[in-house]
Amino acid sequence: GAVVSQHPSWVICKSGTSVKIECRSLDFQATTMFWYRQFPKQSLMLMATSNEGSKATYEQGVEKDKFLINHASLTLSTLTVTSAHPEDSSFYICSLFGLAGPYNEQFFGPGTRLTVL
Amino acid sequence: SQQGEEDPQALSIQEGENATMNCSYKTSINNLQWYRQNSGRGLVHLILIRSNEREKHSGRLRVTLDTSKKSSSLLITASRAADTASYFCATDAIQAGTALIFGKGTTLSVSS
Repeated sequence: GAVVSQHPSWVICKSGTSVKIECRSLDFQATTMFWYRQFPKQSLMLMATSNEGSKATYEQGVEKDKFLINHASLTLSTLTVTSAHPEDSSFYICSLFGLAGPYNEQFFGPGTRLTVL
Repeated sequence: SQQGEEDPQALSIQEGENATMNCSYKTSINNLQWYRQNSGRGLVHLILIRSNEREKHSGRLRVTLDTSKKSSSLLITASRAADTASYFCATDAIQAGTALIFGKGTTLSVSS
């Protein structure tokens, strides 16, 4: 299976600042990665699909100008939360499709906890 | 958007008892997966069941899938305190390469 890392694992920032979260595929080239957001005591909500070399596709209700996604290479996708506010505090998780035996399966990063003061 | 709906939302049992969680979904799927998440931590993949499978076992876990009813169940037998966590079902649509859509989850508490 694919190994996915995220950096940082947690970050605390002041309101109004921008935060960049990296998602790396360590052993697999992924043309597509996904970004999810999870608020406390809630489930994971898909935010956007990150496509290598092209624009990301955002889910309804997710502001593309606020959550900038850049999939610059087959092993790296970044999510930048611009002008972060306390309501953006959440657990952000990326994932990608990789081969597990004969099938494609989705592999998840360990997540990044963002706290905006 | 969320596709799956789990029930119950919360479940409290004693060690040694079995825990059953159910998941319903809305559209046709390729696979259904169950994940576990300890509080504040990442996801742990438990089991994947394909749309042409009806039942699958992995250790103390048993998953069933009924595509006619668009539902699945996760049974944890002989539960342990360490099984305390949130459990989510997730489905992927027929179209290849689409993201997993998660249900709302069941919070399981196992007391010793």
